[in-house]
Amino acid sequence: GAVVSQHPSWVICKSGTSVKIECRSLDFQATTMFWYRQFPKQSLMLMATSNEGSKATYEQGVEKDKFLINHASLTLSTLTVTSAHPEDSSFYICSARVSRSEQFFGPGTRLTVL
Amino acid sequence: AQKVTQAQTEISVVEKEDVTLDCVYETRDTTYYLFWYKQPPSGELVFLIRRNSFDEQNEISGRYSWNFQKSTSSFNFTITASQVVDSAVYFCALSEAWNTDKLIFGTGTRLQVFP
Repeated sequence: GAVVSQHPSWVICKSGTSVKIECRSLDFQATTMFWYRQFPKQSLMLMATSNEGSKATYEQGVEKDKFLINHASLTLSTLTVTSAHPEDSSFYICSARVSRSEQFFGPGTRLTVL
Repeated sequence: AQKVTQAQTEISVVEKEDVTLDCVYETRDTTYYLFWYKQPPSGELVFLIRRNSFDEQNEISGRYSWNFQKSTSSFNFTITASQVVDSAVYFCALSEAWNTDKLIFGTGTRLQVFP
């Protein structure tokens, strides 16, 4: 199956700093990638849809100035959590669209903001 | 509105027992897709199955089987002869034809299989 990687797998940062998370499709090109957030023992919530070469589409309630998404190439999307605060601590998961109705997920990035 | 309900938050079984994870969905669309994913402690989501709304045939894959019942809007997942390695959180998800990109996840069922 298609492989999606994320880097880093975990990160700890101080409050007020910015953190960048990378999502790569390793063996296919993905015009569309997705970013999810998962709080402990909760479900995944879609944050935004990232389209190569255009602006991301954010879900209602997600601050686009807080969570910057860039999809500069067909194999890479990045999520930058700007001025991170403890409440941003979460598990961030990306996925890439392989075909209509099919997504493959990355292994996730655990962010802890102190 | 679309919604996925997994009423069982946590299930514990002993190895070799059969276990069924329930999933009930709501959608106004006549064309949609249903999914099951496994999330082991490592966190990575593992795709298990995708079903489209026109295919009500039940599916079996090894110890896994799925029962899709449109009449009750349910897509239940059964693990036969459970093993410790089956311990994980299992998510049911829905996407609708008009927006197949948006996966709506249930709250998940944590399955613990004890030796």
